[in-house]
Amino acid sequence: GQQVMQIPQYQHVQEGEDFTTYCNSSTTLSNIQWYKQRPGGHPVFLIQLVKSGEVKKQKRLTFQFGEAKKNSSLHITATQTTDVGTYFCAAQGYGQNFVFGPGTRLSVLP
Amino acid sequence: DAGVTQSPTHLIKTRGQHVTLRCSPISGHKSVSWYQQVLGQGPQFIFQYYEKEERGRGNFPDRFSARQFPNYSSELNVNALLLGDSALYLCASSFLSLGETQYFGPGTRLLVL
Repeated sequence: GQQVMQIPQYQHVQEGEDFTTYCNSSTTLSNIQWYKQRPGGHPVFLIQLVKSGEVKKQKRLTFQFGEAKKNSSLHITATQTTDVGTYFCAAQGYGQNFVFGPGTRLSVLP
Repeated sequence: DAGVTQSPTHLIKTRGQHVTLRCSPISGHKSVSWYQQVLGQGPQFIFQYYEKEERGRGNFPDRFSARQFPNYSSELNVNALLLGDSALYLCASSFLSLGETQYFGPGTRLLVL
């Protein structure tokens, strides 16, 4: 079956530093979604990427879909304490259901 | 408009018991998916229902079952509970079926003793 990996598992940064998490799938994807889950909360949708090589930006967040549609990244510029949480990618193969990665837990030290 | 709602918010059961979890999707959404999230892990797909029909099933035993009602609300049933069933059970609704943005509810925290 489809395998989805994320690295790193944990990331501790000083406020103002940048942060990047990577998501890799064992199979070619139709699309990939990113979610943020705050401690004690539920996943909240951030973005969906569909096209090969697609790059989307949301304020300080930049999302990228790989050319081969098997990997993706989320980059946060100048982290803030409000960025704390776990970031999940959810990968969907063609005609398949979404498979969530294990997540990257981000902590931001003020 | 209200978001996805789930009930109950918390539940404590003992091994061997049965549990029913409920979910109401966002108004107008016809698809409901269920996920199990064990502490420290990503959500694991259990079921998807669209227009009252099962459209997807994850790698879970037959003790897990679900259904969707004409008003698009959904129930997840788990029989013969095991300690390992302790988790956060998330419901996600989307307008259509595959490939759509999923809106998650707050979840039901199930503890099996």
